[in-house]
Amino acid sequence: EAQVTQNPRYLITVTGKKLTVTCSQNMNHEYMSWYRQDPGLGLRQIYYSMNVEVTDKGDVPEGYKVSRKEKRNFPLILESPSPNQTSLYFCASNLSGGLYNEQFFGPGTRLTVL
Amino acid sequence: AQKITQTQPGMFVQEKEAVTLDCTYDTSDPSYGLFWYKQPSSGEMIFLIYQGSYDQQNATEGRYSLNFQKARKSANLVISASQLGDSAMYFCAMREELGEKLTFGTGTRLTIIP
Repeated sequence: EAQVTQNPRYLITVTGKKLTVTCSQNMNHEYMSWYRQDPGLGLRQIYYSMNVEVTDKGDVPEGYKVSRKEKRNFPLILESPSPNQTSLYFCASNLSGGLYNEQFFGPGTRLTVL
Repeated sequence: AQKITQTQPGMFVQEKEAVTLDCTYDTSDPSYGLFWYKQPSSGEMIFLIYQGSYDQQNATEGRYSLNFQKARKSANLVISASQLGDSAMYFCAMREELGEKLTFGTGTRLTIIP
């Protein structure tokens, strides 16, 4: 089944404790993105990647890191999480650039930073 | 400036009635794509419908149609014969040709009343 998977689905952590949210897609998509969703703000892009070893900042990259060492994986790293990073996080992938490229979303990771 | 504006934070609609969810957008790019996503209470993002800026006809997908008025920069989602399962958050999003991301609106929470 074609899908984007994220782990963990739920995470409660404390300020400053490094964490990684994994994302994997099995559709051989070139493009992958991370978004965060906050009430009243919709989804905002954190980082995106157009291919292996090619990443760039989205709208809200502060406090996050990403890497793309393999085409299928795009982990999101919070080196020193803070409470304002409490949010619902989505990983997404799409086949390539171009206007009509449906983004396939993972199930989401609900992160709480205490 | 907001690129995607959804002015209805919440809507209540009687079951079986049609409903229109508003979306206006702002771009100077002549080539762009517009998307609608549904987010039920379970949290996943479900792609509903797509409209390209050069498409001559309004997009339709089953009970979903997109009322695309290019001159007014609006792309309203119309759901015909609403069902209880349509209760969800709905997001309008845009991809510009030179961009690598979807820009989302803040969403409309639709509640269908039996």
